Amino acid sequence: GAVVSQHPSRVICKSGTSVKIECRSLDFQATTMFWYRQFPKKSLMLMATSNEGSKATYEQGVEKDKFLINHASLTLSTLTVTSAHPEDSSFYICSASGRGGWQETQYFGPGTRLLVL
Amino acid sequence: SQQGEEDPQALSIQEGENATMNCSYKTSINNLQWYRQNSGRGLVHLILIRSNEREKHSGRLRVTLDTSKKSSSLLITASRAADTASYFCATVLTGGGNKLTFGTGTQLKVEL
Repeated sequence: GAVVSQHPSRVICKSGTSVKIECRSLDFQATTMFWYRQFPKKSLMLMATSNEGSKATYEQGVEKDKFLINHASLTLSTLTVTSAHPEDSSFYICSASGRGGWQETQYFGPGTRLLVL
Repeated sequence: SQQGEEDPQALSIQEGENATMNCSYKTSINNLQWYRQNSGRGLVHLILIRSNEREKHSGRLRVTLDTSKKSSSLLITASRAADTASYFCATVLTGGGNKLTFGTGTQLKVEL
């Protein structure tokens, strides 16, 4: 089966610092990766879609200078929360889809819980 | 507004009973998918049903899709305590690539 990992699983940082979250597809080539944000007991909100080798497409209301996304290879995408503030505290989840038979389904990582103090 | 809205928001049943969750959506879709999320974890893909399909089965799961009513249901038969989780429907809109729009979710609790 398709496995997607995220690192770190949990991070606590001080306000004003930047945090990088990695998302890796372990056993398939992820041509597209998605980043979501989830608040407690709420649904997932898509933040951005990234295709390997091109700039990410951000959803309306998501600040691209705040949430930097890089999809440099077919197995790795990173989300950097720049100058984090307490309101950025949330659960961030990535997903990946690939080519051919891997295209329709998104495979999700286990999520990263960010707490900004 | 939410593309997918699910009801009930929360459901509590006894082990062995069936659990039914419903999902409604607003616009034309390419396919609809159901996901499960254990507390504080990532999502697990359960089943995908395409717009030209009406019913699909996978183990104890049965999914129906009614495109005329823009609704879908997920039935879990003979539920187990391990089925306790949040369940989300997600739609891929027509012409939307493979971008998913998630519903509000149903929190299922299966008690022993």
